[in-house]
Amino acid sequence: EAGVVQSPRYKIIEKKQPVAFWCNPISGHNTLYWYLQNLGQGPELLIRYENEEAVDDSQLPKDRFSAERLKGVDSTLKIQPAELGDSAVYLCASSLGFQGTGELFFGEGSRLTVL
Amino acid sequence: ILNVEQSPQSLHVQEGDSTNFTCSFPSSNFYALHWYRWETAKSPEALFVMTLNGDEKKKGRISATLNTKEGYSYLYIKGSQPEDSATYLCAFVAGTYKYIFGTGTRLKVLA
Repeated sequence: EAGVVQSPRYKIIEKKQPVAFWCNPISGHNTLYWYLQNLGQGPELLIRYENEEAVDDSQLPKDRFSAERLKGVDSTLKIQPAELGDSAVYLCASSLGFQGTGELFFGEGSRLTVL
Repeated sequence: ILNVEQSPQSLHVQEGDSTNFTCSFPSSNFYALHWYRWETAKSPEALFVMTLNGDEKKKGRISATLNTKEGYSYLYIKGSQPEDSATYLCAFVAGTYKYIFGTGTRLKVLA
C-alpha cells in the first residue's frame, strides 16, 4: 500500500515569492492534515480536512496561506508571499477518520527554506 | 492552551543501554495519547496509541506506559540499537479530538 506522498521534498525560494506543496494521502483516508514543524518544536496543525471540507483552519494564517482539497483526495498548500519565518517543514498526514484513537500516517514532509 | 512537554529534549546513549523518556500532558479532558518515531529523512511512524489509565503497550524492545490521572506517559527502549536513533514524539488528544504534539525527544544511540 502506498503511503502519504508529498512533493517537493525540498524547496528554496527568496522571500516574497510564492510556493506550493502537494500531498496525496493514503487511498480511502478521508481525513487530511497539514502540519507545520519549526526547528526544535513539535508539529502544529495548520488545517484539517474531512473529505473536501476544511473543518479546522483556525491556525492557518489566512493572509498568506491557502489550502484546497478538490474532490476530497489530494491537497495543495500555498504560501504567497513567503516570509523568512516560513522556513520550516510542512508535514501532510492522513487518517481513516477523525476519532482521536486513529493513528496518523505522515508523508516525509516538504522542507522550505526562505532566503 | 494545552501544553504537552517531553523530556529530555535530547540524549545520547551507548548501544545496549536501556533508556526512557517522558511525555507530560494535561490530566483533564484526556482522550488518547500517541507515540510516534521520526527517523531522519523519513516520515513519522506511529508506535502506540493508548487510551486507558494504566495501559501498557509493547512492540519488540520498545514499551510505553500511561498514567492519565497524573498526566504522563513513559516510553522505554530496552537494549538500545543504532537503528533506534530518531526523534520520539508524543501527541495528546483531548476530548475535542485535536492532536497536540510535544517537542520531541531526540535519541542518538552510539555504536
